[in-house]
Amino acid sequence: QKEVEQNSGPLSVPEGAIASLNCTYSDRGSQSFFWYRQYSGKSPELIMSIYSNGDKEDGRFTAQLNKASQYVSLLIRDSQPSDSATYLCAVYTGGGADGLTFGKGTHLIIQP
Amino acid sequence: DGGITQSPKYLFRKEGQNVTLSCEQNLNHDAMYWYRQDPGQGLRLIYYSQIVNDFQKGDIAEGYSVSREKKESFPLTVTSAQKNPTAFYLCASSIGLANTEAFFGQGTRLTVV
Repeated sequence: QKEVEQNSGPLSVPEGAIASLNCTYSDRGSQSFFWYRQYSGKSPELIMSIYSNGDKEDGRFTAQLNKASQYVSLLIRDSQPSDSATYLCAVYTGGGADGLTFGKGTHLIIQP
Repeated sequence: DGGITQSPKYLFRKEGQNVTLSCEQNLNHDAMYWYRQDPGQGLRLIYYSQIVNDFQKGDIAEGYSVSREKKESFPLTVTSAQKNPTAFYLCASSIGLANTEAFFGQGTRLTVV
């Protein structure tokens, strides 16, 4: 059974600080990793994808992947109140596997 | 504008009734997916399709059916066999099944009345 684990939160971070969101996955053969942002009542929006070990930066967002530890994280620098949302980690295993496996999400609150 | 359109946004179903949720994309994507989201839960895969006229069951396919007669369209039918259909239903598409980013429609919120 493929599993993707996230701390449900809420994670409360002061405005302007760095928010750190973590995700672990069970299938060592996982190939692709994604972070989605979901506002309450809305659909998920893709914000980052990462495929190889290391860091990937896009604006205020940095995704970090460590396949040996089966761990992927998302850092949000200079956090803004508009970053308050639920962040979903998604993993693609490949090898004929079906679609993405999602974690339950971390609820992030940025305090003004 | 390219994107994924789901309709309706809200849907009410009576006990024992079948309902069909629409999903259309103009992104020229080959792969399409249906997910279900319950409050406080992650997304669970219902069905997915890699190409026209082919689809596969996901983790929770019981009580649901799909068709893929056109590349652009992947409707989901929630049948009376689905005992707990109240949920947020999300359609997504990607260029292909492997290693590609999936993009979502705005979702359909289904409620049993």
